Amino acid sequence: GAGVSQSPSNKVTEKGKDVELRCDPISGHTALYWYRQSLGQGLEFLIYFQGNSAPDKSGLPSDRFSAERTGGSVSTLTIQRTQQEDSAVYLCASSAQGETQYFGPGTRLLVL
Amino acid sequence: GDSVTQMEGPVTLSEEAFLTINCTYTATGYPSLFWYVQYPGEGLQLLLKATKADDKGSNKGFEATYRKETTSFHLEKGSVQVSDSAVYFCALIVIGFQKLVFGTGTRLLVSP
Repeated sequence: GAGVSQSPSNKVTEKGKDVELRCDPISGHTALYWYRQSLGQGLEFLIYFQGNSAPDKSGLPSDRFSAERTGGSVSTLTIQRTQQEDSAVYLCASSAQGETQYFGPGTRLLVL
Repeated sequence: GDSVTQMEGPVTLSEEAFLTINCTYTATGYPSLFWYVQYPGEGLQLLLKATKADDKGSNKGFEATYRKETTSFHLEKGSVQVSDSAVYFCALIVIGFQKLVFGTGTRLLVSP
């Protein structure tokens, strides 16, 4: 079946603008994760959704970052008032509960 | 906290050489262990995994054995190919915490 998809694949924005990144998980996967891959910090966990439970937001780096998951499926990661240090590849993954995480191709964000 | 330590790269090998990429971990609980691979321009792909001590994960000629006594999960391949050139990430997940904790990645370069 189809894998995890993310859009856009690339995003260039100006400092101070808001951006929205989208993730479509594998159909039937109840868990969804966002990670960030940057040169200075490696791969970092951002947020985790499981079914209808409250999300685990412990990895979000600041209150400029937020995410939602509508209808238990699609998720949107929003970064407000972007800064240059937000430049990174944002990766989404999904899994069946307690099982292996499968990753999407990522969104490469560049903040000028 | 939980952490993963990988050998520094790049690792440069000739085709058909033997590969070892070292990985050790620290975990507060009993983790599952993973190797993910990222080919140039692509997203993270699961390469192999092991969920309990002495398990051996294997895929595409790669192997890794979960060694609880040495807290290690070293990746090996008997004969590398040019197409194996990629970045390899060791990772763990502690049951009940759901987020993957990644090492810094090791770049493998295989020349003909």
